[in-house]
Amino acid sequence: EDKVVQSPLSLVVHEGDTVTLNCSYEVTNFRSLLWYKQEKKAPTFLFMLTSSGIEKKSGRLSSILDKKELSSILNITATQTGDSAIYLCAVELYSNYQLIWGAGTKLIIKP
Amino acid sequence: NAGVTQTPKFQVLKTGQSMTLQCAQDMNHNSMYWYRQDPGMGLRLIYYSASEGTTDKGEVPNGYNVSRLNKREFSLRLESAAPSQTSVYFCASSEALGTGNTGELFFGEGSRLTVL
Repeated sequence: EDKVVQSPLSLVVHEGDTVTLNCSYEVTNFRSLLWYKQEKKAPTFLFMLTSSGIEKKSGRLSSILDKKELSSILNITATQTGDSAIYLCAVELYSNYQLIWGAGTKLIIKP
Repeated sequence: NAGVTQTPKFQVLKTGQSMTLQCAQDMNHNSMYWYRQDPGMGLRLIYYSASEGTTDKGEVPNGYNVSRLNKREFSLRLESAAPSQTSVYFCASSEALGTGNTGELFFGEGSRLTVL
């Protein structure tokens, strides 16, 4: 059975800290791994990763894929209260282009 | 630019009642999706429409039906609601099936459904 597991499930840190969120997967035919941010409502796209070892960056956020370890990390440096959200990881399958989603990591940034 | 619009945003039903969730996108996307999101679980695909005129079952289709009314609109119907269908429902769209080269699905703001 295809599955995506995120850890930790929740995390509370103080503003200015650096956080690392994890996503591991077991799927039959991997196409890509995606990170989304969900604040109060709709998930919004952060990164798409297809190749191992190539870091994607956007401001204070960065992500990298390790196909050997079947995992990805999302790093957020110098966290701000606006980073508080649920971070979702999903893996897209080649066979049917469907996305398998992890349960998410709830990140709370305290001032 | 509205993006993906879902209605209603909130709904309370009694067991056995029926209802339809409406979704419309204005990005000229070919593919549309209905997901449900439950606490402690990831988004789960209910149904999807790869292109106008086609619909297919996703991971959890039981108890639901869909209609791709035209390229813009994709509705989700609960014929006889059950408490297990209490959830937050998201409609999403993409240019083509899957995430293409960008990885981006565009989501509506969600519809919170409670079945008593």
